[in-house]
Amino acid sequence: AQKVTQAQTEISVVEKEDVTLDCVYETRDTTYYLFWYKQPPSGELVFLIRRNSFDEQNEISGRYSWNFQKSTSSFNFTITASQVVDSAVYFCALTTAEADSGYSTLTFGKGTMLLVSP
Amino acid sequence: EAQVTQNPRYLITVTGKKLTVTCSQNMNHEYMSWYRQDPGLGLRQIYYSMNVEVTDKGDVPEGYKVSRKEKRNFPLILESPSPNPTSLYFCASRLTGAGDIQYFGAGTRLSVL
Repeated sequence: AQKVTQAQTEISVVEKEDVTLDCVYETRDTTYYLFWYKQPPSGELVFLIRRNSFDEQNEISGRYSWNFQKSTSSFNFTITASQVVDSAVYFCALTTAEADSGYSTLTFGKGTMLLVSP
Repeated sequence: EAQVTQNPRYLITVTGKKLTVTCSQNMNHEYMSWYRQDPGLGLRQIYYSMNVEVTDKGDVPEGYKVSRKEKRNFPLILESPSPNPTSLYFCASRLTGAGDIQYFGAGTRLSVL
């Protein structure tokens, strides 16, 4: 069974602060994929990043960065110099691919609501 | 534009009335899926389909039916909605493999009176 835990239910910051959203995952498989999605107040789900289990390189995209650490089963997401437009619910998700059959389910964490105030 | 389109976006119904939410994708994806989002529970998978005529249950299939007669369409039938708190339903599709990015529709918000 696979599981994703986002322990932070809600985070409030003031604009320009840095903020890190935590994601801890559990899986017995050696091949798996991790994702982050953003859900703004309008409700849609927006893909942010995908990482496979064999690629532990951290990634930076503008103000966003991701820290993948297999040793601690974590895939944390940091927003630098947060902005009001970053206010959203952020979901971490995991899928495994033992045989890459495609039958595996995308398992979501319960999400972290980020509120950035001016 | 590549997209997953689901309709309607908002749905108000009464207890026990069967209804259908449509989903269509224009990316020639083989895999399609339905999720429901409830407050505090995150997203949970209802049903998925690997390809035409191939469907299987997800984590919360009770009260739902699906069919996949064409590659691009994957409608969700709610057989007898009960007055739970408002749920948000998402359709999603991906190319094939588990590592492929899953793209989501804009969501359908269901209220049952």
